[in-house]
Amino acid sequence: DSGVTQTPKHLITATGQRVTLRCSPRSGDLSVYWYQQSLDQGLQFLIQYYNGEERAKGNILERFSAQQFPDLHSELNLSSLELGDSALYFCASSGTTFGYTFGSGTRLTVV
Amino acid sequence: DQQVKQNSPSLSVQEGRISILNCDYTNSMFDYFLWYKKYPAEGPTFLISISSIKDKNEDGRFTVFLNKSAKHLSLHIVPSQPGDSAVYFCAASSNDYKLSFGAGTTVTVRA
Repeated sequence: DSGVTQTPKHLITATGQRVTLRCSPRSGDLSVYWYQQSLDQGLQFLIQYYNGEERAKGNILERFSAQQFPDLHSELNLSSLELGDSALYFCASSGTTFGYTFGSGTRLTVV
Repeated sequence: DQQVKQNSPSLSVQEGRISILNCDYTNSMFDYFLWYKKYPAEGPTFLISISSIKDKNEDGRFTVFLNKSAKHLSLHIVPSQPGDSAVYFCAASSNDYKLSFGAGTTVTVRA
């Protein structure tokens, strides 16, 4: 157990639908990062939050949004889903040192 | 724009021999580099890191080498063991803690 919890582990949904992925960071970590890993692709940075505020944005689609709540958990919302959104979505957290702790990911399948 | 590149998608090595994984980066602002290891159905886990003020860091069977002038780093695993079979991601960061990842190299250690 890395200390970063992601739910759900698996999600199957239809095109056009909206889903929410949840992440609880490791205790004490203020930063949360979301990454997408598509088939045969590396980890693509989506967005970072630090203590409730958006800190950095990567190649995140406009259909995707995220937020970090006062208790530091984060949610990634994916809407108007397309087949190409099928991927592994990882959340990671970090404290004041370099290096992330990753969750085990949510596998999203859009059918 | 892929700032961190792992040009070898896969590597097969015999048990007991050396595994050498390579990584190139383009952003001269990167000053901290990490390697992550990922097993199927799990999130990436931190393996080893190196700061730009060093050219080598060793941790047991794992050694990371950094050549700043060439913007190149490598990971050596000696000796390779069956449990080392995994996907290895190279990552780099400037001082904003956000990591840019390569596409990964799948290592297979043959008995």
